[in-house]
Amino acid sequence: DTAVSQTPKYLVTQMGNDKSIKCEQNLGHDTMYWYKQDSKKFLKIMFSYNNKELIINETVPNRFSPKSPDKAHLNLHINSLELGDSAVYFCASSLAKRETQYFGPGTRLLVL
Amino acid sequence: EDQVTQSPEALRLQEGESSSLNCSYTVSGLRGLFWYRQDPGKGPEFLFTLYSAGEEKEKERLKATLTKKESFLHITAPKPEDSATYLCAVQAYGNEKLTFGTGTRLTIIP
Repeated sequence: DTAVSQTPKYLVTQMGNDKSIKCEQNLGHDTMYWYKQDSKKFLKIMFSYNNKELIINETVPNRFSPKSPDKAHLNLHINSLELGDSAVYFCASSLAKRETQYFGPGTRLLVL
Repeated sequence: EDQVTQSPEALRLQEGESSSLNCSYTVSGLRGLFWYRQDPGKGPEFLFTLYSAGEEKEKERLKATLTKKESFLHITAPKPEDSATYLCAVQAYGNEKLTFGTGTRLTIIP
């Protein structure tokens, strides 16, 4: 039973393209997050949703737009991809705001 | 701004050789300090949460401790399967986000 799942696992695309990453959790949690892990393995928060409401929106280019259709799903859409967007993107969820966060397996994005 | 510094950056130990990893932090009111383990190509896996100075938690060969300025992850008689990157993160009161350190890459040599 996968707790937090992400699709796709790998994503290779050209500069300028638009792409989406999907995240689903079956833990019954009401808060979900997107993190970016750069080449130096540093994990940084991007967004968080609680009950479909945006609660964290860090300094991220507006080419990145999260969407939460329901409590169990949080998607990340990226417009006009740039070389610097290459990274691993992790989705996470928690039972409530400020509770322990559980991470998905990551989506490895490579922009050529 | 919350900050987390982990040391050493990398650590190689012989199997059975005990050691400690350090996580120093500055935060505006600590709500919780979290330890995660990350294997190559995988997402961080939750290990422990510590909430107040003096608290300790144990899981198999790992023990996490917390003071007002730092946390230690002690590993006793490690095995090769303990090889991973260990990440420390802090959460401040009134804030949902985790601020991570850059991790300690631990290698246990058989």
